[in-house]
Amino acid sequence: EAGVAQSPRYKIIEKRQSVAFWCNPISGHATLYWYQQILGQGPKLLIQFQNNGVVDDSQLPKDRFSAERLKGVDSTLKIQPAKLEDSAVYLCASRGQGREKLFFGSGTQLSVL
Amino acid sequence: KNEVEQSPQNLTAQEGEFITINCSYSVGISALHWLQQHPGGGIVSLFMLSSGKKKHGRLIATINIQEKHSSLHITASHPRDSAVYICAVSRTGNQFYFGTGTSLTVIP
Repeated sequence: EAGVAQSPRYKIIEKRQSVAFWCNPISGHATLYWYQQILGQGPKLLIQFQNNGVVDDSQLPKDRFSAERLKGVDSTLKIQPAKLEDSAVYLCASRGQGREKLFFGSGTQLSVL
Repeated sequence: KNEVEQSPQNLTAQEGEFITINCSYSVGISALHWLQQHPGGGIVSLFMLSSGKKKHGRLIATINIQEKHSSLHITASHPRDSAVYICAVSRTGNQFYFGTGTSLTVIP
């Protein structure tokens, strides 16, 4: 079974630039999460999708962050414009319907200079 | 106050030592998860448990539902066990809450 795929693995940008991250969850997993993990902290939920609908985006900074999952499979997370404090690892995770276990991608390490 | 608290925050051990990482939570849960994160790597699920005890190789996870407490034990620790260990809880409605992690370094 293929795992959760994320790209890019690393990204370095200057503040005020834009960046996009891509995630392909495990096949058949209806629930997809994007997390932000700042160094030394646990993952913080940005947005949760159930198929192509948003379940929870209460902690997503909507003035600069956006995410979509148009066909209920792949998802993209965008930051526009980036700030220094956005430097973090962005993790995508998915889980199957009725299942508790969460599967994570390898993450995208973002550095904003 | 975080819903999930872990201790210690950092832990250094000599190879071969027995290691314990603790996790306490303050919300009702459907399951508790122990996760492992290597530097620069993604997160791997080690255990998911809702009662009792689970064992996988040198790793043992226990949970006490009444006390809202879980422990992760590593027997005969090895340098390759060096990683960040994260405790997380899941609730109905697909919510997950994460601890801040315990950074473990095992010295040869």
